[in-house]
Amino acid sequence: GQQVMQIPQYQHVQEGEDFTTYCNSSTTLSNIQWYKQRPGGHPVFLIQLVKSGEVKKQKRLTFQFGEAKKNSSLHITATQTTDVGTYFCAGRTNAGKSTFGDGTTLTVKP
Amino acid sequence: KAGVTQTPRYLIKTRGQQVTLSCSPISGHRSVSWYQQTPGQGLQFLFEYFSETQRNKGNFPGRFSGRQFSNSRSEMNVSTLELGDSALYLCASNFGGGLNSPLHFGNGTRLTVT
Repeated sequence: GQQVMQIPQYQHVQEGEDFTTYCNSSTTLSNIQWYKQRPGGHPVFLIQLVKSGEVKKQKRLTFQFGEAKKNSSLHITATQTTDVGTYFCAGRTNAGKSTFGDGTTLTVKP
Repeated sequence: KAGVTQTPRYLIKTRGQQVTLSCSPISGHRSVSWYQQTPGQGLQFLFEYFSETQRNKGNFPGRFSGRQFSNSRSEMNVSTLELGDSALYLCASNFGGGLNSPLHFGNGTRLTVT
C-alpha cells in the first residue's frame, strides 16, 4: 500500500544547529501537510504544500515539496529549545488516501 | 471557537472489556478521523467519518469500530480489549475530510489495558 517514509526517526542537536527531516512517498502526492507535536501534546498543523517544487517559509522553518511531488522536507535554521517535539508529515494521494509518516523526534540541548 | 474535545482523557480497562471513546469536532466540521498513537509507531489511521458515513478505514481488526452522529460528534468503540490496545487515541476534525484542509486534533484519550 501507499506509504510515507520519514527520516530520521530521532535527531539530537545542540541549540543553534540546523535540523532537517525528510518524507518520501512511494506514490505521487496531491498535497502534503506538516504537523508538530510537543511532548505530552497533540499534533498541531504547521503548513500545507500543494504545488510541485513549492517552498514555503515560516520564520526559521522552511518547507519544500519535491518536483515529482513524492518527497518533502522541513528544515529548521538555528534550532531553539522551543523547537523540541515530534514533526510529522502527512501525504494525500491523488486517489484520496492519506497517511502519516512515523515522525521525527527532535531534542535540542541548550 | 472551541477546539476538538475528546472524553475521557484517561481510561484504565482490563483485558476482554470493551471501551467507548468520544470526540466532539470543531463546530462546522463534518469530518472526524481517528488515530492510534503508540511510542515509536507514529500515528496509525483507524477510520474517517464524514456526514455520518465511514469514508476510509485503516488496517485495524474488526474489534475497532466507530460511528458519527448527525451533529458530527463521533464515537470509537474497541471490543475485547487486548494489552496491545494500550495507546493514545487521537481524533481530528476538519471541514472537507481527508487532508484537503488542516486537521485539528483533540488532546486524546490515553487508554491503558491491564
